[in-house]
Amino acid sequence: DTGVSQNPRHKITKRGQNVTFRCDPISEHNRLYWYRQTLGQGPEFLTYFQNEAQLEKSRLLSDRFSAERPKGSFSTLEIQRTEQGDSAMYLCASSLRPGTDAYEQYFGPGTRLTVT
Amino acid sequence: AQSVTQLGSHVSVSEGALVLLRCNYSSSVPPYLFWYVQYPNQGLQLLLKYTSAATLVKGINGFEAEFKKSETSFHLTKPSAHMSDAAEYFCAVTGDAIGSQGNLIFGKGTKLSVKP
Repeated sequence: DTGVSQNPRHKITKRGQNVTFRCDPISEHNRLYWYRQTLGQGPEFLTYFQNEAQLEKSRLLSDRFSAERPKGSFSTLEIQRTEQGDSAMYLCASSLRPGTDAYEQYFGPGTRLTVT
Repeated sequence: AQSVTQLGSHVSVSEGALVLLRCNYSSSVPPYLFWYVQYPNQGLQLLLKYTSAATLVKGINGFEAEFKKSETSFHLTKPSAHMSDAAEYFCAVTGDAIGSQGNLIFGKGTKLSVKP
């Protein structure tokens, strides 16, 4: 068990460019979550997958954001036409399904995005 | 709907003193509750969780929390603070139902400082 990994750890981009982040969950976890954390705030839910199906997207996830989880393994989060307001830490977490005593989310180290 | 309120955005204690970080939750369903710790520029690490078993939950690094349904609280304590405990702490809630969305709702966090 190598934990949740995220790449890249840091990304600096110019406004208007597209960026893509990758998350590799813990291998036996079928749930994968994306959160966004801005300075001084707790993480806010963006979207989640059960295996390869994207089951929920929050209102925070505008049309410029898209997430995929092909084959139910790793996931990517793409932001098109980045804006300065997208600057944040993007966190990925994985878990077993809720409703079990083993339910807990394990977080990756995050990708810090800076839009200039 | 669920929400979390963490009282006190900053808490400062002396090394060796009691640590008490407060968390109150609101949930329309039986909750699962979590405390996470975040060190600068890192992801979140799970300290402990409540999943409807024992109301007094022991976690890592000497931390514990007590679930009090009547007070809708899940306060985090540690008898004796250590310098290495300085970090930001987040309380989070989710629903426990099988088939639920399972995303965590976080508080805004409490930054703990430990004075020598």
